[in-house]
Amino acid sequence: QKEVEQDPGPLSVPEGAIVSLNCTYSNSAFQYFMWYRQYSRKGPELLMYTYSSGNKEDGRFTAQVDKSSKYISLFIRDSQPSDSATYLCAMPKGGATNKLIFGTGTLLAVQP
Amino acid sequence: NAGVMQNPRHLVRRRGQEARLRCSPMKGHSHVYWYRQLPEEGLKFMVYLQKENIIDESGMPKERFSAEFPKEGPSILRIQQVVRGDSAAYFCASSPEGTGPLHFGNGTRLTVT
Repeated sequence: QKEVEQDPGPLSVPEGAIVSLNCTYSNSAFQYFMWYRQYSRKGPELLMYTYSSGNKEDGRFTAQVDKSSKYISLFIRDSQPSDSATYLCAMPKGGATNKLIFGTGTLLAVQP
Repeated sequence: NAGVMQNPRHLVRRRGQEARLRCSPMKGHSHVYWYRQLPEEGLKFMVYLQKENIIDESGMPKERFSAEFPKEGPSILRIQQVVRGDSAAYFCASSPEGTGPLHFGNGTRLTVT
């Protein structure tokens, strides 16, 4: 079993839709959870960074962590064509370090 | 306001040749990480370095791969005697501390023919 599982998609939605992206993980010791966005042929860029359970909102993006279910989500409201990218969840292995375990990424296409 | 700079962007090597990938971290960052992204797979941690020190190389293949971050100059990821399975995108990331947000470069895409 992989430590982090993510549906690869692709996920295609119309402009303005609410998008839900999800990851599950197996290691209950994970405490920090991140979402990265990666445009084609570019490096990943950090979108959201959360600690422990609960919600965190930043503009059109909301990150949600449910540690009891080992399940994290990223919601995108009012999706735009510019949101079309691959979204990667990531967790540090061993506390607050930068040795990250990434999901395989979900490819999102927002159709105008 | 340069970010993490990687070069070359694309590198083609024949089997058996050496590949040298370079990474200049963001200004003020002394912690460098290398990740590899294979087709259909997620990013995999390879190595974590500080100036002149390898902190964690648990993700590096045992043979043919090495990394350095000298006192002066960029970090180098070196792959000797490349094989087709080494074809991947190699990303470098940096941070000012050992924790906190990672800033990634745009990667070097290595193709082994």
